[in-house]
Amino acid sequence: DQQVKQNSPSLSVQEGRISILNCDYTNSMFDYFLWYKKYPAEGPTFLISISSIKDKNEDGRFTVFLNKSAKHLSLHIVPSQPGDSAVYFCALQRAGNTPLVFGKGTRLSVIA
Amino acid sequence: KAGVTQTPRYLIKTRGQQVTLSCSPISGHRSVSWYQQTPGQGLQFLFEYFSETQRNKGNFPGRFSGRQFSNSRSEMNVSTLELGDSALYLCASSLRQGVNEKLFFGSGTQLSVL
Repeated sequence: DQQVKQNSPSLSVQEGRISILNCDYTNSMFDYFLWYKKYPAEGPTFLISISSIKDKNEDGRFTVFLNKSAKHLSLHIVPSQPGDSAVYFCALQRAGNTPLVFGKGTRLSVIA
Repeated sequence: KAGVTQTPRYLIKTRGQQVTLSCSPISGHRSVSWYQQTPGQGLQFLFEYFSETQRNKGNFPGRFSGRQFSNSRSEMNVSTLELGDSALYLCASSLRQGVNEKLFFGSGTQLSVL
């Protein structure tokens, strides 16, 4: 049973435009929602997070939106840059000492 | 500050063998987690250690085991290797255990089972 779904395996966007990456989940018990970015031959790096008490968190070009009623999380990157080309994973966590549950990832390609 | 270090970087084994992977966390970090990444399944949680104690375990067979030492360094072992164990094994450390703790990942060990 897949608790976290990233339904788009890949996404291609032109430089300067908006990139929108989506993540859906089934368990309403998740409290923290994170995005990690992974370049080839490197481990994932933390990008941005949001707790369930908020619906938006912004950090520079990156904004995460949370729609709890729809159990939907999205990451917006504006403007997209070629250096943003990577695999993006959403990761969800329940309260307490529980591990992160990752989606399968979306490969973003930003074309110059 | 040095990041999370995983050794070896690449490993080739044959079916039935066993393998041990090593992870050195960021200095001062006491929590170490292990994940398996495969192309079709994304990152799947293996186990987490905090202060030498296993605190969480994922849904993997008993062939997968791990441990943490007093200096927070961690090892994971896979016995009786199967072809399906071919994957990138990622180690991550964090300062504490708990919610919204940022994980710092190593570059991983790429294991190929022939």
